[in-house]
Amino acid sequence: NAGVMQNPRHLVRRRGQEARLRCSPMKGHSHVYWYRQLPEEGLKFMVYLQKENIIDESGMPKERFSAEFPKEGPSILRIQQVVRGDSAAYFCASSPEGTAAFFGQGTRLTVV
Amino acid sequence: EDQVTQSPEALRLQEGESSSLNCSYTVSGLRGLFWYRQDPGKGPEFLFTLYSAGEEKEKERLKATLTKKESFLHITAPKPEDSATYLCAVQANQAGTALIFGKGTTLSVSS
Repeated sequence: NAGVMQNPRHLVRRRGQEARLRCSPMKGHSHVYWYRQLPEEGLKFMVYLQKENIIDESGMPKERFSAEFPKEGPSILRIQQVVRGDSAAYFCASSPEGTAAFFGQGTRLTVV
Repeated sequence: EDQVTQSPEALRLQEGESSSLNCSYTVSGLRGLFWYRQDPGKGPEFLFTLYSAGEEKEKERLKATLTKKESFLHITAPKPEDSATYLCAVQANQAGTALIFGKGTTLSVSS
């Protein structure tokens, strides 16, 4: 039973480019969460999705960030026109019922 | 405001030297408290969930306990492979299902 799969593991983007981060939840899990971890900061909630629905996006910046979890395929976190402050580790977590969340290995985004 | 505070920020132990990590929380209503372990460059690894005051859970050298205001992660006779950052998180009734994390305690165990 594979765990939560995230790719790419490392992503380098120039300022102004777009970043797309992908997350495949564990088999049987229909709840997906995205968190961001900045250097010296704790993990911060960004968005919670179920298939084809955004349930809670209260932690998502209002501009440039979007997320989706289509009927088929992985969940995508999209960051448009990246800035240096977007450099962080982005983690995806999944759960079967919205309880304990199991995390992927993360995508480390570096904006140069 | 819901908040989680972990102490100490860093802890150095000798192999076999038992100790405890603290997680204090302020939430509008606790749905669950979670402990994770995170190794450098990796994602958090789930350890325990506690739901009510007085509850305890154990796994190998780790034991987690919960009161109405805080949780402790007790490490008995630690080994160097226990070195990691330990994260505490709470799920509050009014925060949906999102977890609110503390900044973690970085544990180093030397032989």
